[in-house]
Amino acid sequence: QKEVEQNSGPLSVPEGAIASLNCTYSDRVSQSFFWYRQYSGKSPELIMSIYSNGDKEDGRFTAQLNKASQYVSLLIRDSQPSDSATYLCAVNYMRFGAGTRLTVKP
Amino acid sequence: DTGVSQDPRHKITKRGQNVTFRCDPISEHNRLYWYRQTLGQGPEFLTYFQNEAQLEKSRLLSDRFSAERPKGSFSTLEIQRTEQGDSAMYLCASSLRTAGDNEQFFGPGTRLTVL
Repeated sequence: QKEVEQNSGPLSVPEGAIASLNCTYSDRVSQSFFWYRQYSGKSPELIMSIYSNGDKEDGRFTAQLNKASQYVSLLIRDSQPSDSATYLCAVNYMRFGAGTRLTVKP
Repeated sequence: DTGVSQDPRHKITKRGQNVTFRCDPISEHNRLYWYRQTLGQGPEFLTYFQNEAQLEKSRLLSDRFSAERPKGSFSTLEIQRTEQGDSAMYLCASSLRTAGDNEQFFGPGTRLTVL
């Protein structure tokens, strides 16, 4: 079992829709969780961090954490074509998933 | 420019040669990380420093790889006797370690091609 697992996608949503990205992790004692966005050929860019169970909102982005289920998700509301990228989940700041490729269609 | 910088941005080398990459972190950041990323994969952790101390190294980091962070400022990553499997993007990130917060900021990366 991989330490951090993500659906590789591609996930395709129409412009204006909600994109839902999911991530599961294996280390039950993990404490910190991060979502990064990576455009093709570029380095990862931090979107959000979350440390406590529940939801954390920042603009169009909402991160959700459920430590009991070892699950973290990212919701992107009102998706825009500029959101098309690979989204990386990171656990304990050093363990990254392989990423989910998101395409937002105009 | 106050972000993380890496040099060179691209490196092409022949198998068996040694290469060295440099990373300059955000000035007030005390932690510095090295990752390797190949196509279609997430960043793979190699090692990290807190100030000048190297606190963790990945089991995947063979003895051909070495990293330093003299005086807790910039860092270098050296790969000796390069192999074709070393071809990848090498990413550096830095963070300011505080209680409950360790958000990393990445540099642009160094793309290594081993012929």
